[in-house]
Amino acid sequence: DAKTTQPTSMDCAEGRAANLPCNHSTISGNEYVYWYRQIHSQGPQYIIHGLKNNETNEMASLIITEDRKSSTLILPHATLRDTAVYYCIVSDGGSQGNLIFGKGTKLSVKP
Amino acid sequence: GAVVSQHPSRVICKSGTSVKIECRSLDFQATTMFWYRQFPKQSLMLMATSNEGSKATYEQGVEKDKFLINHASLTLSTLTVTSAHPEDSSFYICSAVTGNYGYTFGSGTRLTVV
Repeated sequence: DAKTTQPTSMDCAEGRAANLPCNHSTISGNEYVYWYRQIHSQGPQYIIHGLKNNETNEMASLIITEDRKSSTLILPHATLRDTAVYYCIVSDGGSQGNLIFGKGTKLSVKP
Repeated sequence: GAVVSQHPSRVICKSGTSVKIECRSLDFQATTMFWYRQFPKQSLMLMATSNEGSKATYEQGVEKDKFLINHASLTLSTLTVTSAHPEDSSFYICSAVTGNYGYTFGSGTRLTVV
């Protein structure tokens, strides 16, 4: 079973920041938080991942709480092409740590 | 960045025939690859873990004799759906472990069994 809880769906206005929450209260000390997104009928696309510290790349920012029990993915300026299902996953990475997908959050970016 | 190529993207086959899906790591060596299945409006479900040079590890409820996995090289894993039936119609996706604790996914294969 997935070890994360996410809202089923969210809406966001185009050009605004999209903040997607994720709860992972049972995360272990060696587990990373990964975010992927899936646009219809495509393979999941990597967005970002982190262990303890906040992370930022060209796509998004990842804010992890100090107790690591929850995190937020931030898309700073959402566009219509960001409409997708966003998955938050915890895994220890590597060959033994496969990714178990939950149901994700369906983000709809509206004009 | 790391790229995983999956072929074919779409395949239609007759019931009772077998279909092979290929997953290649293009610019890196993938010791471990994963195979997922996704039914409409559902999330990805892990089917098996494929390790180069050894037998695949299947998740509970996945028939290893029906879904044959071969990972004979560090850049290629194949999934063969044997004696396919309409209920095997699904979206099949592979992924590979990359460096820096990352995972890269293929673009998926839409299998339709008629």
